[in-house]
Amino acid sequence: DAKTTQPPSMDCAEGRAANLPCNHSTISGNEYVYWYRQIHSQGPQYIIHGLKNNETNEMASLIITEDRKSSTLILPHATLRDTAVYYCIVRAFGGSQGNLIFGKGTKLSVKP
Amino acid sequence: NAGVTQTPKFRVLKTGQSMTLLCAQDMNHEYMYWYRQDPGMGLRLIHYSVGEGTTAKGEVPDGYNVSRLKKQNFLLGLESAAPSQTSVYFCASLTTDSPPTFGSGTRLTVV
Repeated sequence: DAKTTQPPSMDCAEGRAANLPCNHSTISGNEYVYWYRQIHSQGPQYIIHGLKNNETNEMASLIITEDRKSSTLILPHATLRDTAVYYCIVRAFGGSQGNLIFGKGTKLSVKP
Repeated sequence: NAGVTQTPKFRVLKTGQSMTLLCAQDMNHEYMYWYRQDPGMGLRLIHYSVGEGTTAKGEVPDGYNVSRLKKQNFLLGLESAAPSQTSVYFCASLTTDSPPTFGSGTRLTVV
């Protein structure tokens, strides 16, 4: 089973910030949180990942709660091209964890 | 260009036919994965491999076989295709210190 839960869908107005939540209450100390997105039926695209500190790159920001049981992906100025399904997954970094299970993701619809 | 390459990109099979999907990566990644994605659904793990010569079952392994004879290649086989295997198949690879990289997918239709 997936180790993460996400709302099935969200809407966001173009130009506004999109805040996508993810619950990972059973995360282990050595597991990172990864975010991917999938546009139409293309291959999932890596966005960002983090362990416990907040992270920012050119695409998004990742806020992880202090207890690490949940996180939020922030797209600061959503555009129509950000309409996609967003997946949050957890995985041990540098470990020997084999399987990599995806949940059902959040379908983000950015509206004009 | 470095990355994950899947072949073929499209295929139509008749029920009962067999075929092999190829996933090739040139990043020297240890781990490789096969997923299927049905319309409106998320990714479901079929089989995976943690190294050359090793494979393991994922969430939905029935009806599929895999082989990892070379580190760079991960093959997914359908011995007797069924309409229920109509799906988009994605391959991914990663190493212990990198996030997964996905291929562009293979769209398979079984009629």
